[in-house]
Amino acid sequence: SQQGEEDPQALSIQEGENATMNCSYKTSINNLQWYRQNSGRGLVHLILIRSNEREKHSGRLRVTLDTSKKSSSLLITASRAADTASYFCATGSNTGNQFYFGTGTSLTVIP
Amino acid sequence: DSGVTQTPKHLITATGQRVTLRCSPRSGDLSVYWYQQSLDQGLQFLIQYYNGEERAKGNILERFSAQQFPDLHSELNLSSLELGDSALYFCASSVDLTEYYGYTFGSGTRLTVV
Repeated sequence: SQQGEEDPQALSIQEGENATMNCSYKTSINNLQWYRQNSGRGLVHLILIRSNEREKHSGRLRVTLDTSKKSSSLLITASRAADTASYFCATGSNTGNQFYFGTGTSLTVIP
Repeated sequence: DSGVTQTPKHLITATGQRVTLRCSPRSGDLSVYWYQQSLDQGLQFLIQYYNGEERAKGNILERFSAQQFPDLHSELNLSSLELGDSALYFCASSVDLTEYYGYTFGSGTRLTVV
């Protein structure tokens, strides 16, 4: 399967703490993206990291990519209750333009 | 508002029926993607269109079909509906065929088959 797999499946933290989610994938990729989905809503694009990049920052988000291990991590620093959502990684293959999504990490930030 | 419009937002229909879901991509986006999200299957890629042409197929059942019209809106047709087709159906769009841009998702159509 080309789908990524997020780990953990669920994460519960206190407001102000950092949240780390991991994504593993199986095939070669051109890039990897992270999306957020609030319950029952559409997915929102957070950040894209290309296969030749190792780390990328956007506000309170930090993404790393290790292509040798076929894994990526998403770090959300100083979490807020509004960060409560599901987070998905999506991998874009070398052979097509579609993205394959993992099963997501459900993050709960407790105020 | 993401710029991707999906209608209807909710749809309840009986088994065996046929429904059409509609998607208008964000202005300027030529690619449209359809995804199905169910509790047990996660987010599954169904099909992609680019400027009116089918570009890629994923886990799309033969009972399902889609098309993209000259004005770039897309429709997903689901026929002979089964209970297991109940899911959230998302449309996403992107500016072109390259993978270096993220998708913009619509808010989805929640289909309930009873």
